[in-house]
Amino acid sequence: NAGVTQTPKFRILKIGQSMTLQCTQDMNHNYMYWYRQDPGMGLKLIYYSVGAGITDKGEVPNGYNVSRSTTEDFPLRLELAAPSQTSVYFCASSLAGGPGNEQFFGPGTRLTVL
Amino acid sequence: AQKITQTQPGMFVQEKEAVTLDCTYDTSDQSYGLFWYKQPSSGEMIFLIYQGSYDEQNATEGRYSLNFQKARKSANLVISASQLGDSAMYFCAMRGPRGSTLGRLYFGRGTQLTVWP
Repeated sequence: NAGVTQTPKFRILKIGQSMTLQCTQDMNHNYMYWYRQDPGMGLKLIYYSVGAGITDKGEVPNGYNVSRSTTEDFPLRLELAAPSQTSVYFCASSLAGGPGNEQFFGPGTRLTVL
Repeated sequence: AQKITQTQPGMFVQEKEAVTLDCTYDTSDQSYGLFWYKQPSSGEMIFLIYQGSYDEQNATEGRYSLNFQKARKSANLVISASQLGDSAMYFCAMRGPRGSTLGRLYFGRGTQLTVWP
């Protein structure tokens, strides 16, 4: 099992450009999440999904969009990149949503917007 | 609302000594889970240990143990016999019941642990 994979690992964008961060998991998990981590801070939830076709906003969704057409994939779309979106982005997944279900994290994508 | 507080921005410990990283939480839920993650300088998030709110015994995983004091709403991580490779950022996180928060994790701001020889 590869677990949760993310591409790319690093990316530099110019202000106003768009891009898609890819996330794939091979554990047949229903729940998937996108977090961002700003320097010196914990992770904040951007979007989440509880299954294919079902997505919802987290606490910092502005400037992002997601889709979930399959169980495996949960891409995060950045439209009109801004310097405030410079961050490390983590995708995570878990089998279910209960308190005891571990979330498995991808390796992260480090994004810089200049 | 769920909240995690880590009051120690940085901690220093000598190799082979034990260290305690503090974590307090706030929730009105009865069912919840508490997690600790390690983030080395390479950036990945490594799961260390889990404690459920109904677990009567403190969780242990090798050199890691969780000092769970439910009445005080604290979930401190204890690392015994520190090693140089333990130098990293440590995050405390909480997960609520399935229905209310849909499984998302709430994170503290982290504690940077430095182990010196």
